[in-house]
Parts: sequence; structure tokens; C-alpha cells
Amino acid sequence: DAGVTQSPTHLIKTRGQQVTLRCSPKSGHDTVSWYQQALGQGPQFIFQYYEEEERQRGNFPDRFSGHQFPNYSSELNVNALLLGDSALYLCASSRPGVSMDYGYTFGSGTRLTVV
Amino acid sequence: AQKITQTQPGMFVQEKEAVTLDCTYDTSDPSYGLFWYKQPSSGEMIFLIYQGSYDQQNATEGRYSLNFQKARKSANLVISASQLGDSAMYFCAMRLNRGSGNTGKLIFGQGTTLQVKP
Repeated sequence: DAGVTQSPTHLIKTRGQQVTLRCSPKSGHDTVSWYQQALGQGPQFIFQYYEEEERQRGNFPDRFSGHQFPNYSSELNVNALLLGDSALYLCASSRPGVSMDYGYTFGSGTRLTVV
Repeated sequence: AQKITQTQPGMFVQEKEAVTLDCTYDTSDPSYGLFWYKQPSSGEMIFLIYQGSYDQQNATEGRYSLNFQKARKSANLVISASQLGDSAMYFCAMRLNRGSGNTGKLIFGQGTTLQVKP
């Protein structure tokens, strides 16, 4: 049973560029959440997608956008990259129908470096 | 505001000994869940243990147990019989119950780096 798959694993971009990160959720999961984890810090919630719509958003600027496809996979897009966007981006999948469970599964993340 | 605090940036423990990682939380919501995750250098967040706010007993999962003190708003992780493979970053996280626009996002602490010495 494949877990959460994220691609690419590493990425180097230049300031001002745009980047797209991808996530395939665990089989049976239909909700995808994205987190940003700066070096030495805890992950910060970016947004969550369910039924191809953004359901909740954290304190991130509009430069961060996302998409969810009919097969539940998701993309995270970041425009006009800043040096401060350098971080590990984690994707987590879950099933919303199971309340207060611990059904979050995380991927290994995409490490983005902005130079 | 909801918040998780982990006050130990780094911890050392001798192999085969027990270690406690501290976590305090802040929320006025009566219904929430508390999680501990392990993050090795590979980056993946590995689920360790879960405690619901209404659970009467402390959660246990193999060598992991959660010391839940609701009145003190603390949820410390206890790892018994430490192994070299336990060396990693450990995060405490909280999830509020769904409702009022909340869809179950996780709020993480800053993490504690645990090093197990042979």
C-alpha cells in the first residue's frame, strides 16, 4: 500500500521564479493538506484541499496557491519566489469522514531552495 | 490562540534508558486531539501516538506512552528503552475538532531533537 508520494524531492529555484510541487495521497485518502517547514522549525499549515476545493487556509500570502485533481492528487504552486520560501514542503493526506482519528499520513517532502 | 510549546530544543539519552519529551498546549476548545510525530533526517513525519481530549486513559503504543495531564495542559511523550534508531526530531501537534470552519489542521510545536547515545 503506497503511502504519500511527493515530487520532486529536491528543487533549486531563483528568486522571482515560480514552482509547482506535487503530491499523491495515500490510497483511500481524499483530503490533502500542505505544510511548510523552515529549517529547525515545526511545520506550518498552508492549506487543505477536499473535493477539489480549498477548505481551509493558513496565514500564507496569495503567492501560495493549490489545486486538487479528480484522482485526489494535489499541486502546490508558489509564485514570485522569495529567499524566505526556502523550506521543506510536506504533504499530508487523510480521510475526513473519520473524526478525531489519527489518520494523517505524511510524505517525505520536497526540499525547496531559493537562491 | 491555539499553541503548542516544546521547551526542550535538544535532549540526550543513554541507550536502553527512558526519556520524557515535554509538550504543553493552549486552547479554549474542549474537544481536541494531541499527536506526537517523529521526523528522521529523511524528512517524513512518522506518527507515533494519539490522545483525544476526552480519553480517560493515557495512550500507549509499544515503547511510546503519552502522559496526558489535562488540567496542566501537558502531553509529554515517554519513550522507554531508547534505541539508537530513536535519534530524530520529535514534534508535538494539536488538532481541534472539526467545526466552526476548522477542518482539522495540525498545529505543531518547535520540536525537540533527541540523540540516543550508545
